[in-house]
This record gives sequence, C-alpha cells and structure tokens, in this order.
Amino acid sequence: ETGVTQTPRHLVMGMTNKKSLKCEQHLGHNAMYWYKQSAKKPLELMFVYNFKEQTENNSVPSRFSPECPNSSHLFLHLHTLQPEDSALYLCASAPTGQGGIGSNQPQHFGDGTRLSIL
Amino acid sequence: QKEVEQDPGPLSVPEGAIVSLNCTYSNSAFQYFMWYRQYSRKGPELLMYTYSSGNKEDGRFTAQVDKSSKYISLFIRDSQPSDSATYLCAMRGNAGNMLTFGGGTRLMVKP
Repeated sequence: ETGVTQTPRHLVMGMTNKKSLKCEQHLGHNAMYWYKQSAKKPLELMFVYNFKEQTENNSVPSRFSPECPNSSHLFLHLHTLQPEDSALYLCASAPTGQGGIGSNQPQHFGDGTRLSIL
Repeated sequence: QKEVEQDPGPLSVPEGAIVSLNCTYSNSAFQYFMWYRQYSRKGPELLMYTYSSGNKEDGRFTAQVDKSSKYISLFIRDSQPSDSATYLCAMRGNAGNMLTFGGGTRLMVKP
C-alpha cells in the first residue's frame, strides 16, 4: 500500500469515448502529478498541481484535461484519444515546501491505470 | 542527447551476485537523486534518496553519487530473485519538485 490509489487499474476505450482516471492520496501531501509511461521511454511528466492550483502543463494535448478539486484528489479526463495515447498513466504525490516550492521529500506513486485505445 | 541516460538492459545475473546499476546525466543543477524499483503491473516504489555527492547504504542497497562525473550508481548485494524488476533513476534540482527520469534498467535475478 503506497498511500496513493488509482482507479480504474485497467481501461479500454474507443477513440470517441470520454472517460476519467482518478487518483486519491492519503499521505497529507499538497502536490500531485500525472505521468505517462510508454514502453521503452522515460516517464513523461504531464501535469503538476500544488495546493489545487495547476503549476505545470508539459505541453500536453488538450484531449487530456486534469482536475484537482482538493489536495487529496486528482482526475484526468480523457476524450477523443489517439492510439498513441495507450500507456500506463501514473499519479504521484509529494509534500510542498515553503512558498509552494518543492520540499526535499520524494514523490510517491500509485500503481497506475493501464489505458488501451482501440 | 537525453538529459538522463540509463542502459535499458535486460541485465541477467545469478542469485547472490552483486548488481551495479548506473545513470549518467548532463544537467549540473541536479542535486537530489533517487532510485525507484518498479515491478510488473505496479507503480514505481522509492528505494533510495540521496542529496548531492556521496554514498548511502540501506540494507543490501547502496547508492552512490559522483557529481563531478555526473554519474550515479545503485549497488545491490546478495541479489535475490525478488529483486527482479525495472530500476528507474530520477533526479531534480533545488527548486521545485519536478523529476527527470532515466528510461529504466530491467534486472532479472535467476535462482
């Protein structure tokens, strides 16, 4: 149990579907992240939230839409995805240091949602 | 050139061997260095976390950082089949908490 829970664990969807990924953390952290992990590629940072505010969007296509209603929950809304979007989507959380700058504590990951686009 | 380079493997060793996993990087601003272990169908799990240069030991695991060479290592002593996983190095600078990852090395420890 990592303290970061992601649902669903697996998702198969067509290109015209709309679905959402959910992440919940029980660690009291204030920073939350979405990453994409594709085969044989490094983890790609997608979005960062600090205290519910988006502080980083790493040039992610608009078909991915994040939402952070509070510091414990993070969503990734998906619509009109492409086959190349098939990947493992990982959520992570970490403490936020003073002034919203990262603390010296590491990120903790969930087990991810395996997404397959038909 | 990738910002963090890591040999993808797979690296296959017999049980009990000493394993050496390595990453090189190009950004001299990196100050915090991490090793994550990722089992199949699971998320990355933090193994070791170090700041600046030096060594850190935790049980069978030792992390080394050589900032002058921009080179980090993870050593696993007395390797076990349960150590079979993909090992990811990650690093960041002083500001913010955004990590840069290597591509991961797949390790197989054979009984």
